[in-house]
Amino acid sequence: DAGITQSPRHKVTETGTPVTLRCHQTENHRYMYWYRQDPGHGLRLIHYSYGVKDTDKGEVSDGYSVSRSKTEDFLLTLESATSSQTSVYFCAISGTRGDYGYTFGSGTRLTVV
Amino acid sequence: GQQLNQSPQSMFIQEGEDVSMNCTSSSIFNTWLWYKQEPGEGPVLLIALYKAGELTSNGRLTAQFGITRKDSFLNISASIPSDVGIYFCAGRETSGSRLTFGEGTQLTVNP
Repeated sequence: DAGITQSPRHKVTETGTPVTLRCHQTENHRYMYWYRQDPGHGLRLIHYSYGVKDTDKGEVSDGYSVSRSKTEDFLLTLESATSSQTSVYFCAISGTRGDYGYTFGSGTRLTVV
Repeated sequence: GQQLNQSPQSMFIQEGEDVSMNCTSSSIFNTWLWYKQEPGEGPVLLIALYKAGELTSNGRLTAQFGITRKDSFLNISASIPSDVGIYFCAGRETSGSRLTFGEGTQLTVNP
């Protein structure tokens, strides 16, 4: 009954390989977001979506792409993973622009070696 | 983009003590939110505020929407070990399309 699930929860990958993280929601919310969390930097927005096929860049979008072909799924792709992309990635959903807050997933810990 | 200044960055307190943290922005917000993140999990919403001067409680937590609409405060009374975590403020500007998050306050409670 989580409403939002992220997969995988943990992943180790090699530098230069493509990686895709998945966010799945069952709330039929319009807005979806991808954040990364690193020590000393809080939550930084990578990309977000305000509807199917409607996406926009956040503050740290370089090296990342997203796709949203269905309301329930928002995919984050690292085209060619680098060590600087080692981080914890969080997906969030919202039915509004944020006035009632975002609901976050449990995160994906990605390690690029 | 919009920045939220959250302080302090970290706090080390004894069980039973009260805790205060705050967030300030350079522009007017019409929504302030406070989240808690426990280790290995995503942030969870604690309190939402929508009016200047509003004071809202959730158990031992009390948050206030500053009257200037550029700041917000969170207080935790009589802290306990399970209060440990990272607390984030977040807000939305009047004309903003999404939330802005502070950098978090790491709270450690010593038994």
